[in-house]
Amino acid sequence: NAGVTQTPKFRVLKTGQSMTLLCAQDMNHEYMYWYRQDPGMGLRLIHYSVGEGTTAKGEVPDGYNVSRLKKQNFLLGLESAAPSQTSVYFCASINGLAVNTGELFFGEGSRLTVL
Amino acid sequence: TQLLEQSPQFLSIQEGENLTVYCNSSSVFSSLQWYRQEPGEGPVLLVTVVTGGEVKKLKRLTFQFGDARKDSSLHITAAQPGDTGLYLCAGAEAGNNRKLIWGLGTSLAVNP
Repeated sequence: NAGVTQTPKFRVLKTGQSMTLLCAQDMNHEYMYWYRQDPGMGLRLIHYSVGEGTTAKGEVPDGYNVSRLKKQNFLLGLESAAPSQTSVYFCASINGLAVNTGELFFGEGSRLTVL
Repeated sequence: TQLLEQSPQFLSIQEGENLTVYCNSSSVFSSLQWYRQEPGEGPVLLVTVVTGGEVKKLKRLTFQFGDARKDSSLHITAAQPGDTGLYLCAGAEAGNNRKLIWGLGTSLAVNP
């Protein structure tokens, strides 16, 4: 049971470099989310998608881009990494029919450090 | 704007003690969930409450949803070291079912 898989799990970048985080889910979920988690700040939504080909901004979208070309994949891109983007990133997915009460399934997280 | 106030932020107790974590808001939620997160892992759902006044029990954990659906509590009886972790509450606002509103979490340490 793979569930939600994030790659890579760890990455160190230099300021200005770019990278992409990949999230893959095998549960046929419509909704997918990218969060960042920082000490004292809780989980903050970066971007989300309610279906293939659609994306929307969350509360902290600046500096990030996303794409949902396939239903099972949700990519998070950093075009020009900044130290403020050092964080742990979590991808999550949920069945669209149960978005109000259903379980949000999370990946194990991707720890990104920007020097 | 932090719509879900979670308290306490940190809690360190001895094995066998009881504790309560609170999640409060001025907003009405159509449902509220509690998640538990262990170091190096993503949050995992513990329970969902949807009806005002609802009480759910999960072994030694008791969850309550306020009558007005603006607040919730998590009570742990006879805490064990295995209960150590970060407890997060998340609410689904009425009319907005695409995004959850998250509390900042309560970091619980249960010492043997």
